[in-house]
Amino acid sequence: GAGVSQSPRYKVAKRGQDVALRCDPISGHVSLFWYQQALGQGPEFLTYFQNEAQLDKSGLPSDRFFAERPEGSVSTLKIQRTQQEDSAVYLCASSLRSWGQANEKLFFGSGTQLSVL
Amino acid sequence: QKEVEQNSGPLSVPEGAIASLNCTYSDRVSQSFFWYRQYSGKSPELIMSIYSNGDKEDGRFTAQLNKASQYVSLLIRDSQPSDSATYLCAVDNAGNMLTFGGGTRLMVKP
Repeated sequence: GAGVSQSPRYKVAKRGQDVALRCDPISGHVSLFWYQQALGQGPEFLTYFQNEAQLDKSGLPSDRFFAERPEGSVSTLKIQRTQQEDSAVYLCASSLRSWGQANEKLFFGSGTQLSVL
Repeated sequence: QKEVEQNSGPLSVPEGAIASLNCTYSDRVSQSFFWYRQYSGKSPELIMSIYSNGDKEDGRFTAQLNKASQYVSLLIRDSQPSDSATYLCAVDNAGNMLTFGGGTRLMVKP
């Protein structure tokens, strides 16, 4: 596709429900990131994939958060037993090559706004 | 102390003026620096990148980097109401991610 696509655009969950958020990166992009953005804050890093390998998950706030990218393209961020503090916009971003290459740039999707009631 | 610091604003400037947005970072090994613009309810959009000390100009935008002072700035000349947005500074410290500041909200008043 032309850009990074995320679905759903909005998700309302009851506390305790499991949710799954989907990201379709730009076709051919090697690197994929998930960020969490709380209202009025900058994006906070969650996890990084290089192709299908999850190279860094240091930003995942708890073991309720799980991300996968099994075929090196589409990624899913799963949150189990959602809590109110999980309410945020979840942004997916991709870059063409492995992160850390010279002049590499990150392109963001429109995000999924998660509201936990 | 956060790794990337920005004044949250709002920074209010009149139309046609120069808007100056500032950012400091803590990790001396940082190599790449980016400015993203984020309109309310939208995703961050890359507007400038800078990798070496000095100035880099692109249209009405100028990014300035001073690695010795660990400081990066964005100047917007001839500010327009359409420039009103939150500007996010992001730093790559050669790790596995971009680290973002909290953003500065810019308001350009007609």
